Amino acid sequence: GAGVSQTPSNKVTEKGKYVELRCDPISGHTALYWYRQSLGQGPEFLIYFQGTGAADDSGLPNDRFFAVRPEGSVSTLKIQRTERGDSAVYLCASSPPGGGKGYNEQFFGPGTRLTVL
Amino acid sequence: QKEVEQDPGPLSVPEGAIVSLNCTYSNSAFQYFMWYRQYSRKGPELLMYTYSSGNKEDGRFTAQVDKSSKYISLFIRDSQPSDSATYLCAHIYNQGGKLIFGQGTELSVKP
Repeated sequence: GAGVSQTPSNKVTEKGKYVELRCDPISGHTALYWYRQSLGQGPEFLIYFQGTGAADDSGLPNDRFFAVRPEGSVSTLKIQRTERGDSAVYLCASSPPGGGKGYNEQFFGPGTRLTVL
Repeated sequence: QKEVEQDPGPLSVPEGAIVSLNCTYSNSAFQYFMWYRQYSRKGPELLMYTYSSGNKEDGRFTAQVDKSSKYISLFIRDSQPSDSATYLCAHIYNQGGKLIFGQGTELSVKP
C-alpha cells in the first residue's frame, strides 16, 4: 500500500518568507509526527498529533512554527518568517492505533528538504 | 548531556565484515529501544526494536540492550554493500510517544 507522502520534496525560499509543508499519512493511521533533521544529525521531534489534536508540541522551537491536522488525516507544518537556521529536512511519520502490544511503529515519509537562502 | 549519544562515524568496512554500532542513553525511563536505517535522501525505516535487556536476532542483525549500563548495540554479520546507510538508534518512553534519536552512524560497506 501507499506509504507516507510529503510535498513538496524540495522547497527553496528566501529569509523572511512563509512556507507550508504537507504530510499525507498512511490511511487509517491515527497518530502523526513531525521531526526535523539537520545535516549529520538524527531527527529531532517537533510535534505529535493523535487524531486532530496536538498531543505533544514540546519540540516546536518557537512561535514561528505551527502545525495543524484539521480532519485527522493530512497535516500541514507552517513556518513563518523563515530563517537560515530553519534549513533542514522535515520528516513526517504516522503510526496505526495502538494495540497494546509492543512498540507502535512509526512509518516515515521521505521528507521535505527546506533551504532558506 | 544529550539523552542519546551515538558514535557518529563514518564507518567504512569491507564486504563480509562484522559491524558493531553503539549508543548510550541517560534516561532510565526509556522503555523501548530501536534501530532505524536511513538510506540517502529517504526517511528512516525500522530495522529492529526491543523492550528488555538481552539480545534479539533477525537474520544478519542482532540488537543488544544492557539496561544496567544504559548501552545498546547493533551487530551486522556478513555485511553487504546494500547495508551502506546511516543507522540511527532511538528510544521511546511509551508506545505512542516521541522518538528520541541518536545522531546516527554513517556506514559504508565496500565490495
